[in-house]
Amino acid sequence: AQRVTQPEKLLSVFKGAPVELKCNYSYSGSPELFWYVQYSRQRLQLLLRHISRESIKGFTADLNKGETSFHLKKPFAQEEDSAMYYCAAGGSSNTGKLIFGQGTTLQVKP
Amino acid sequence: GAVVSQHPSRVICKSGTSVKIECRSLDFQATTMFWYRQFPKQSLMLMATSNEGSKATYEQGVEKDKFLINHASLTLSTLTVTSAHPEDSSFYICSAPNQRVYNEQFFGPGTRLTVL
Repeated sequence: AQRVTQPEKLLSVFKGAPVELKCNYSYSGSPELFWYVQYSRQRLQLLLRHISRESIKGFTADLNKGETSFHLKKPFAQEEDSAMYYCAAGGSSNTGKLIFGQGTTLQVKP
Repeated sequence: GAVVSQHPSRVICKSGTSVKIECRSLDFQATTMFWYRQFPKQSLMLMATSNEGSKATYEQGVEKDKFLINHASLTLSTLTVTSAHPEDSSFYICSAPNQRVYNEQFFGPGTRLTVL
């Protein structure tokens, strides 16, 4: 079955500390992996996707096919990073359909 | 950038009534839209794929007679919760895919439904 797993419901760190939000997937074929973010009282928005290999707001994520993981990392967390983060996987069928993980709330304390 | 709107943003209704939620793509066409349900501090559960000009595709366990989806034009999909009950109270979110970058979705702001 296709599944995306985010093992942590809540991750709490102090400002300036490194952050790693974990994501593992079980998906047939070669999925595309995404991280979406939802700030308080805002809509869900794309943070980054694995094919772009880009860094957005200091966040990076590397696709590890051997470990079927797509962990999100940032070396120095900022208070404005506090939000709900969702890992998602999509297939190659071009349907746009995504499978979301359970989400991790990141809380960055001052 | 592409914008998806939803209307209403929140609705309160009595048990047994039906509620319609609209999802619009404002500056682009969407032959496909998705409807999700989100419980507090939990993940998004895909309910169905809305297809312009044809029947919606429902995910396993979602009652198609309960959640009626109509995709009448290239910019509008509607979700009607029929004979709503308190357990249908939730946050409903729609999205539309980016036509240029497949699997990337633009999300609406969501609709908070409360059934009394």
